[in-house]
Amino acid sequence: QSALTQPASVSGSPGQSITISCTGTSTDVGGYNYVSWYQQHPGKAPKLMIFDVSSRPSGVSNRFSGSKSGNTASLTISGLQAEDEADYYCNSYTSSSTLAVFGGGTKLTVL
Amino acid sequence: EVQLVESGGGLVQPGGSLRLSCAASGITFSRYWMSWVRQAPGKGLEWVANINQDGSEKYYVDSVKGRFTLSRDNAKNSLYLQMNSLRAEDTAVYYCATIEGYAFDIWGQGTMVTVSS
Repeated sequence: QSALTQPASVSGSPGQSITISCTGTSTDVGGYNYVSWYQQHPGKAPKLMIFDVSSRPSGVSNRFSGSKSGNTASLTISGLQAEDEADYYCNSYTSSSTLAVFGGGTKLTVL
Repeated sequence: EVQLVESGGGLVQPGGSLRLSCAASGITFSRYWMSWVRQAPGKGLEWVANINQDGSEKYYVDSVKGRFTLSRDNAKNSLYLQMNSLRAEDTAVYYCATIEGYAFDIWGQGTMVTVSS
């Protein structure tokens, strides 16, 4: 069982927007603004898409945005494109001995 | 070109050992905290270990404490993970990654470790 809870799957049509949630506790997501999001295509390494809840690394499309409310962080992808179809993982710093915890991952299907 | 290249994976029997390496290029390696993250077949990502810039601070996930040892050689721009007493549940693709702030920034392509008799 993963420390952070994500929906197993989400889907949307091209051009639409989708949101993926990531729920933790006050010792991780809720306690720190250190949530990051990763995109992983099949057989490929993960790619950082969002860090520090809502910041985008250079080169990442502004169609990707992040936010947080209480113990739940969210990744929103607007203007869905076929190439957005991938697995998405959230991650948070945690005050536990684990230091860093991932969500179980969400499979995004672009219909 | 910024690149992390892992090596050293393979098939090992339960109880055996492996040493993974991660060679960095295109970055000032000594500036970065570094990490290993693993992914079991068909499963999600799991943080394994972190090491600070000079190797004086190391952190491990509870399931590998006492069995895995993280080290680095800044002169060789390389990161290492010595894995002993391997178990079937250690079977995974192991990725090395740079840490920027609290995020895993640059990732290698991964190396597969299979623990099986």
